Amino acid sequence: KAGVTQTPRYLIKTRGQQVTLSCSPISGHRSVSWYQQTPGQGLQFLFEYFSETQRNKGNFPGRFSGRQFSNSRSEMNVSTLELGDSALYLCASSLNPPGGGGSYNEQFFGPGTRLTVL
Amino acid sequence: QKEVEQDPGPLSVPEGAIVSLNCTYSNSAFQYFMWYRQYSRKGPELLMYTYSSGNKEDGRFTAQVDKSSKYISLFIRDSQPSDSATYLCALSQGAQKLVFGQGTRLTINP
Repeated sequence: KAGVTQTPRYLIKTRGQQVTLSCSPISGHRSVSWYQQTPGQGLQFLFEYFSETQRNKGNFPGRFSGRQFSNSRSEMNVSTLELGDSALYLCASSLNPPGGGGSYNEQFFGPGTRLTVL
Repeated sequence: QKEVEQDPGPLSVPEGAIVSLNCTYSNSAFQYFMWYRQYSRKGPELLMYTYSSGNKEDGRFTAQVDKSSKYISLFIRDSQPSDSATYLCALSQGAQKLVFGQGTRLTINP
């Protein structure tokens, strides 16, 4: 069973540009979450999509946006790039959102896209 | 103050040692407590999760949650060089949003 795939793996952009990152979840997984990982801030939640709807959003500016398609694939977009947006962007998929009562649907992470903003 | 605090290390121990990794948190609404392991150039992978308080054991790994103290731990027994990685605690209130600690970089020396 293929894991979560993210494309591209590496990206170099300049300030002011925009970028689109892609994530293909594990087959059958309908929930996709995005995280930003930096040495200073660690892993921070960006947003989560389930059945093409954004269910949860982290504390990031509106320059960060995302969407999910009917096949559960997801994209995230960052507009007007800043130097501080340089990071590893991780996508994670799970079967469904948690059902509560102690059951946890494991989030499987992809290898990430390394974005460098010059 | 961050919601989840974790000593970033680095932590270096000899092979076979018992390793103790810890996180503290401030939000009592957290219900799910996870430990992830991340190797260099890879995404995090789930090691263990615990719901509410208590202990959980899986092979050489033991996770402990003390909600009264807002303190979680991961113990690794008989540590191996292959355990060298960054270990991240992650907490959740029940939704897919995970709040991560900073991660502790662990090196097991042969």
